[in-house]
Amino acid sequence: SQTIHQWPATLVQPVGSPLSLECTVEGTSNPNLYWYRQAAGRGLQLLFYSVGIGQISSEVPQNLSASRPQDRQFILSSKKLLLSDSGFYLCAWSLRGGGTEQFFGPGTRLTVL
Amino acid sequence: AQSVAQPEDQVNVAEGNPLTVKCTYSVSGNPYLFWYVQYPNRGLQFLLKYITGDNLVKGSYGFEAEFNKSQTSFHLKKPSALVSDSALYFCAVRDGTYNTDKLIFGTGTRLQVFP
Repeated sequence: SQTIHQWPATLVQPVGSPLSLECTVEGTSNPNLYWYRQAAGRGLQLLFYSVGIGQISSEVPQNLSASRPQDRQFILSSKKLLLSDSGFYLCAWSLRGGGTEQFFGPGTRLTVL
Repeated sequence: AQSVAQPEDQVNVAEGNPLTVKCTYSVSGNPYLFWYVQYPNRGLQFLLKYITGDNLVKGSYGFEAEFNKSQTSFHLKKPSALVSDSALYFCAVRDGTYNTDKLIFGTGTRLQVFP
């Protein structure tokens, strides 16, 4: 069966510090991968998606970047965190092809002070 | 443009009563529709989806959803609510770009089931 991991679970970082959040998927190959941010426990904002190694699409201009160095690894980064980067970050994966649901990881709670 | 709306921020229901969480959509072409549930400080869990076929879709934890093309709705239902169903529920529609399967999420509806 497939599983998705995210770490760390929680993170408190000062403004201006770098960020690296990692997501890995097990039990499947060539997944589509996604990074979302959820603010204030409500709406989801798609930040990045990837259909393959090294292929990253950005949905919104921001202080963050994403990379996919391996087929089942997706990394969210920042060189200098802003207060507005605080939130709940969710990674998700889906099978290639139409009509498939996304499966979400447990999330990372980021607080920027 | 594809969109999905959840008109209720919160739904309150007594335990044992039926529940409905509303969702309407706007898409070009055939809609691919999804429901997810989120418990506090957790990731989203997939409940059910409609792609084609029967308008009544059954999913996890006793939930079901009814696809209504004429009303462009995909309401989530459960015959008898449990206190443990209290959570945040999201409706989503597929964006339509073939290779990415991007989903467009509604703003979420908080379900509160009272004992």
